[in-house]
Amino acid sequence: GAVVSQHPSWVICKSGTSVKIECRSLDFQATTMFWYRQFPKQSLMLMATSNEGSKATYEQGVEKDKFLINHASLTLSTLTVTSAHPEDSSFYICSAITAGVNNEQFFGPGTRLTVL
Amino acid sequence: SQKIEQNSEALNIQEGKTATLTCNYTNYSPAYLQWYRQDPGRGPVFLLLIRENEKEKRKERLKVTFDTTLKQSLFHITASQPADSATYLCALDIGTNAGKSTFGDGTTLTVKP
Repeated sequence: GAVVSQHPSWVICKSGTSVKIECRSLDFQATTMFWYRQFPKQSLMLMATSNEGSKATYEQGVEKDKFLINHASLTLSTLTVTSAHPEDSSFYICSAITAGVNNEQFFGPGTRLTVL
Repeated sequence: SQKIEQNSEALNIQEGKTATLTCNYTNYSPAYLQWYRQDPGRGPVFLLLIRENEKEKRKERLKVTFDTTLKQSLFHITASQPADSATYLCALDIGTNAGKSTFGDGTTLTVKP
């Protein structure tokens, strides 16, 4: 099956620093990638939709200048949390879809971000 | 307002029994509905997709039903095993923005030996 990787799997950073998370589709080309965040015992909240070569579409309430998304190729999307603060601590998960697979989302393993 | 509700935050059953999880929605007209499994600290894993014109889908020990009149999907795991213990998420897609789904809060299933 299709595999999506994320790097890093966890990161601890100081308040005010920026953190970049990579999402890669390893064995397929992803027409669209999604970024989610998930708080403990809560569901996935969609942050943005990322299409290769175009600007990301952000969900209401998500600051695009805070969460920078770049989808440089059909296999790589990055999420940069700029000037991170403790309230940004969360589990960030990406997913990818490819045309012709019934819109099944293939999820990455997630990245645990802790901002001190 | 749009809402997705999954029954009870937690469900505990005995090994070998059938687990039934519920996903109810309001103010949606989904083109299809998906069920995912999520283990602690991991990303969700796709299990089954059912379209609005389908009543039932099966895959090995899994069965999903979709009643667009009741606005409800049921997810069954037959002959449950301790390895089935996980959180199960339903997700709705209205089909106008390919792949963009809205997730329920999930039900955590524990199968006791």
